[in-house]
Amino acid sequence: GAVVSQHPSWVICKSGTSVKIECRSLDFQATTMFWYRQFPKQSLMLMATSNEGSKATYEQGVEKDKFLINHASLTLSTLTVTSAHPEDSSFYICSALTLNTEAFFGQGTRLTVV
Amino acid sequence: SQQGEEDPQALSIQEGENATMNCSYKTSINNLQWYRQNSGRGLVHLILIRSNEREKHSGRLRVTLDTSKKSSSLLITASRAADTASYFCATPSPGTSYGKLTFGQGTILTVHP
Repeated sequence: GAVVSQHPSWVICKSGTSVKIECRSLDFQATTMFWYRQFPKQSLMLMATSNEGSKATYEQGVEKDKFLINHASLTLSTLTVTSAHPEDSSFYICSALTLNTEAFFGQGTRLTVV
Repeated sequence: SQQGEEDPQALSIQEGENATMNCSYKTSINNLQWYRQNSGRGLVHLILIRSNEREKHSGRLRVTLDTSKKSSSLLITASRAADTASYFCATPSPGTSYGKLTFGQGTILTVHP
């Protein structure tokens, strides 16, 4: 199957700083990627849809100014958590959509804000 | 909002036994997928079943779909300790077909050696 790489796998940052998470499709082009958030012992919640060359579409309740998404190329989408706070600590997972409409997930990024 | 509801929330069995997990959803769908997630890791796609299919097999996995009841089940036969993980069903978000997924709450499966 297709490979989606997420980096970093884990990150610890101080409150008030920003953190960038990368999602790359390694062997296919993805015009659409998705970002999910997962709190401990909970399910995945869709945060936003990232479209190459256009603005991301955010789900209700997700602050677009806090979670900046950039999809500048067909193989890379980035999620930047700005002015991070401890409540932003979570597991962030991206997925990329192939041309045959199958979604492949990255390995996730565990963010801890201290 | 979470469309999929899964039960049980947790399941503990012995190696060799079968494990059955159920998922219910609310809106009409054209496909349903099952994923596995090992602790703190990403998702592994297990199987996709389309709305015109009633049952699908993949190795030790058997998935059923009942669109009239808006429910699906995942059966893992002859379970192994390595099957210990969380299992999620996922359906396309209303108005979409693929990719943009709504996940169930998940079932935590523990298989004891």
